[in-house]
Amino acid sequence: DQQVKQNSPSLSVQEGRISILNCDYTNSMFDYFLWYKKYPAEGPTFLISISSIKDKNEDGRFTVFLNKSAKHLSLHIVPSQPGDSAVYFCAASVAGSARQLTFGSGTQLTVLP
Amino acid sequence: DTGVSQNPRHKITKRGQNVTFRCDPISEHNRLYWYRQTLGQGPEFLTYFQNEAQLEKSRLLSDRFSAERPKGSFSTLEIQRTEQGDSAMYLCASSSQGPIYGYTFGSGTRLTVV
Repeated sequence: DQQVKQNSPSLSVQEGRISILNCDYTNSMFDYFLWYKKYPAEGPTFLISISSIKDKNEDGRFTVFLNKSAKHLSLHIVPSQPGDSAVYFCAASVAGSARQLTFGSGTQLTVLP
Repeated sequence: DTGVSQNPRHKITKRGQNVTFRCDPISEHNRLYWYRQTLGQGPEFLTYFQNEAQLEKSRLLSDRFSAERPKGSFSTLEIQRTEQGDSAMYLCASSSQGPIYGYTFGSGTRLTVV
């Protein structure tokens, strides 16, 4: 039973354009959501997060949107750069769970020069 | 701050052998996590330590798996009688207590059971 789903295994975007990565979740107890980026042969690197009391969080070129009613979040990268090419994981956690994370299966983003 | 260090980076073992991995967290972090990642999947939670106490264990952690964190510093993950299904990337992460804003992962240990 996948509680966090990333339905697009891959996404290709032209340099300079917007990348939109999507994530859906089923557990309404999740109260914190995060995006991680992973390069080959490295561990995941934290990118940006959002609390369930917000619907948007921005950090430079990265913005995360949360739609609680739809149980959906998305990561927008504008403008996309070739160095953004990586696997992006969506993750979620429940308050009081020692903050263990439930991850999606990831989306491979390729930014074409 | 040298980040989270994991050793070895790669381990190839024969089925039935025991293996042990080591994780050195960021020194001021008192929380330590172990995750496992298989091909095409996201990391899955295995276990969690706060200081030296192991406070949570996933159902994924069978009796063949054991983790320790003596003195609340480094941690070891041991797999006894390895099976081919244990082949995966084993990731360690650490964090400080307080509001979560993403913990720091190591580069992982890739285990191949042949």
